[in-house]
Amino acid sequence: KQEVTQIPAALSVPEGENLVLNCSFTDSAIYNLQWFRQDPGKGLTSLLLIQSSQREQTSGRLNASLDKSSGRSTLYIAASQPGDSATYLCAARMDSSYKLIFGSGTRLLVRP
Amino acid sequence: SAVISQKPSRDICQRGTSLTIQCQVDSQVTMMFWYRQQPGQSLTLIATANQGSEATYESGFVIDKFPISRPNLTFSTLTVSNMSPEDSSIYLCSVEGLGGVPRGEQYFGPGTRLTVT
Repeated sequence: KQEVTQIPAALSVPEGENLVLNCSFTDSAIYNLQWFRQDPGKGLTSLLLIQSSQREQTSGRLNASLDKSSGRSTLYIAASQPGDSATYLCAARMDSSYKLIFGSGTRLLVRP
Repeated sequence: SAVISQKPSRDICQRGTSLTIQCQVDSQVTMMFWYRQQPGQSLTLIATANQGSEATYESGFVIDKFPISRPNLTFSTLTVSNMSPEDSSIYLCSVEGLGGVPRGEQYFGPGTRLTVT
C-alpha cells in the first residue's frame, strides 16, 4: 500500500530565502507525482507534474525533482515571497490507478 | 488548464438531510473524480465518476451514502446522504484528460465546504 509523507509539517522562513519541501513515498512503482498548492479554505492549484521517466520539472521559481529509487521528491522554491504562503501538497499516482495518494502537506509561512 | 466550478461553494446543513454538489468543467474531460478533505486532514478519493455508468467507489465509501452521477463529459454531481456531523468536510471534484486527451495531470475545483450541525 502506497504511503506518502511530507516533511516538515510546517515551515516559517523570512522573505527571500530559498527553501526545500520534501515528499517521500513507499512504493516506487509510481506513474507520476504532482505538487499542489492549497490556500486556506480553497481548492488545489496544480504546480508541477513529474512523470515517472523524468528527473525534474521547472516552472518559474519552482523546481521539483523525482528520485524513484529512493522514493523521494523535493519542491525547491527560490527567492520566497509572502505570496508563497500556503499549504503545499504532493500526490503520487500509481501505475495501475488514476487515484492520487496525498501527503499530509507542508504549511509554509513566508514572513515579510 | 480548465475552468472548474462547484456549486454550492459552502453550505450548513442539518443532520439527516442530503446535499447535492455540482461540478461543471468548461471543456470535455476523460475522467472526473470526487475527493473529501476532512478538517485538518489531507485529501482522500471517494470515487471515480464514470460517464453513463455507476461510479467506482474506493474502500470505505458506498453508493448509498455518496451517490454520484455523470451524465456527460463536462458535468458530475455528488450527493452526501443522511448527513451526520462526521460528514463535515471540504468536497472537491477533480478532472483529468482535458479536451479528451489523457495527460496524467489532475486539476481541482474550488471545493464545497460542508458543515453539518
